[in-house]
Amino acid sequence: EVQLVESGGGLVQPGSPLKLSCAASGFTFSSNWLNWIRQAPGKGLEWVASINPDGSSTYYPDTVKGRFVVSKDNAKNTGYLQMNNLRSEDTAMYYCARTNWVRWGQGVMVTVSS
Amino acid sequence: DVVMTQTPPSLSVAIGQSVSISCKSSQSLVYSDGKTYLHWLLQSPGRSPKRLIYQVSNLGSGVPDRFSGTGSQKDFTLKISRVEAEDLGVYYCAQTTHFPLTFGSGTKLEIK
Repeated sequence: EVQLVESGGGLVQPGSPLKLSCAASGFTFSSNWLNWIRQAPGKGLEWVASINPDGSSTYYPDTVKGRFVVSKDNAKNTGYLQMNNLRSEDTAMYYCARTNWVRWGQGVMVTVSS
Repeated sequence: DVVMTQTPPSLSVAIGQSVSISCKSSQSLVYSDGKTYLHWLLQSPGRSPKRLIYQVSNLGSGVPDRFSGTGSQKDFTLKISRVEAEDLGVYYCAQTTHFPLTFGSGTKLEIK
């Protein structure tokens, strides 16, 4: 069964770092892009980061560029999102998803508050 | 950035009726390989999004053929024939042709 399982969310203070993980199974992780998308409470979907299959290229929107870093370990079938200098506006449910949104994880909540 | 304009923002339909959702992009979504990376997602209440349609008109795995997608370049439509109760939720169009990747603002489908 194809699965993506996020972990690592929680409540953090503004300015803190947090690292999310996305454990993949049931498909060839090394052949797929890994994407991170977030959804603030009651809002729509916002793309946060993408990494190509071999991990050599990464992409970010301006809202997180310089603060977030996406990576993947194909040997461990796991992707990561390192989030630094978190702000209150980063509060959201964070999802990881495969190439072209074919499968999403269940999401993990990140709350940034003092 | 590619802006995805989705209409209507909400719909209320009876079981068995058909509905259409429009999605217009500010730029052509045809990639250099000739393919159009426009997708439709459904987020059911309390769930993560699920891809229904990929590359304009291809039905995702396990998706009922009541769902269909059409369109080209900058103008796309999702049609749901014979709406069922399980179809309620928020529908999003999404493009993966251009970075930054963008989503429509969503269409909330309610069942009368």
